[in-house]
Parts: sequence; structure tokens; C-alpha cells
Amino acid sequence: DTEVTQTPKHLVMGMTNKKSLKCEQHMGHRAMYWYKQKAKKPPELMFVYSYEKLSINESVPSRFSPECPNSSLLNLHLHALQPEDSALYLCASSPRGLYYGYTFGSGTRLTVV
Amino acid sequence: SQQGEEDPQALSIQEGENATMNCSYKTSINNLQWYRQNSGRGLVHLILIRSNEREKHSGRLRVTLDTSKKSSSLLITASRAADTASYFCATDGNNNDMRFGAGTRLTVKP
Repeated sequence: DTEVTQTPKHLVMGMTNKKSLKCEQHMGHRAMYWYKQKAKKPPELMFVYSYEKLSINESVPSRFSPECPNSSLLNLHLHALQPEDSALYLCASSPRGLYYGYTFGSGTRLTVV
Repeated sequence: SQQGEEDPQALSIQEGENATMNCSYKTSINNLQWYRQNSGRGLVHLILIRSNEREKHSGRLRVTLDTSKKSSSLLITASRAADTASYFCATDGNNNDMRFGAGTRLTVKP
């Protein structure tokens, strides 16, 4: 298995809702990432997990809450989002180390209404 | 947290021509990578060049890296309509914290 699987592919949520994005990989990668991408912009790093521990939080608002329950699974819990949080949320994984490319999922397109 | 700039922002060429995209970055790096993205979906890893390498090839792709100028270029030779996509450079520091440049939108006309 050489894929990163993200669910759902599309999500529409209200500003008072709580939802979660899910990301799964079975490649044995020990680093996992969340990126946010607005239209016609590059992906922006949000969180990095290394060996299931949060190693980088790019000053992301607390309404985004990441979780890494095990080495194959990464979640992003969403609560009280704003319309400006609408974006494509991309999950990626890589072997831990400096000379590996990242494998990206196809993303969750989130719309906050 | 964007790392750098890419040039040009958009490039339109005919099938069979070569496409060159440039990337500049700001901080020291361990490696630089290039990714392709079709239609705003997932990114595909194309090639990685280490900070102590100057040039690397993979099929129709050629990447150069000049750490003294903090710049890289991606050359796609003999382009095809299927190469139409956005191309991003990305730099990785010491902490698996890869950050992307602004990207180049490539259109290859049949």
C-alpha cells in the first residue's frame, strides 16, 4: 500500500458544528503532516507529527485540534470554524529523516457556511 | 509560512517545447523537492535534491540547485499536454518541516 487516504473528500459544515478529518497510511511512515491550501496558493504547513508526537504547530488557531492515535492514523478535529477556514486540507506522510519525499493524500475540500 | 518565490507564476508553451521553472528560498536547507499538483488535489512528489548536490535527473526532469544563490530550477523537456499542472518547489530544514514556494502554473498546449 503506497497511498495516503483522506476522508471525507468533501465536507460542508456550519460555524457551530464539530467535525473531524481523517488521514490513514500503511507505509510505515513515522512522520505525518497537515497542510492547508487556499485556492491558487501553495500549501501551508499546519502541524507535524513525529513518532505520534506533535513536533510542530505553526501557530494554528485552537479551533483546529490534531490527534495522532497511532502510527497509521492522523485526525484533525474542527470546531467553531470561520468561513475563511474554507480550504483544501491535505495530509501527508514520510519516513522520518531528511532525504525522503512526502506522500500526499488527495485532500478534503472543506466549506464552512 | 511560505518559504520562497517561484518564477514565472504562469507559463504557457506548445507541446514538445521545454519548460523551465525557477524557485528561490530564504533559509538554509537540507533538501529541496519539486511537486506537481493537478486541479487543486493531492500533490505528487517528482524529485528531491540534497543540499550537497548540484544537479539531478529523472526521466524528462532536470533539477539544479545553487545553495549560494538559494535558488533551484526545474526543467521539463519535450513537454506533453499531460504535464499541464501547477508545480511547487518545497524546502525541508532540520525538522521534517517542509514548506512550499508560491508555485508555477504550467499550461502545455497540444
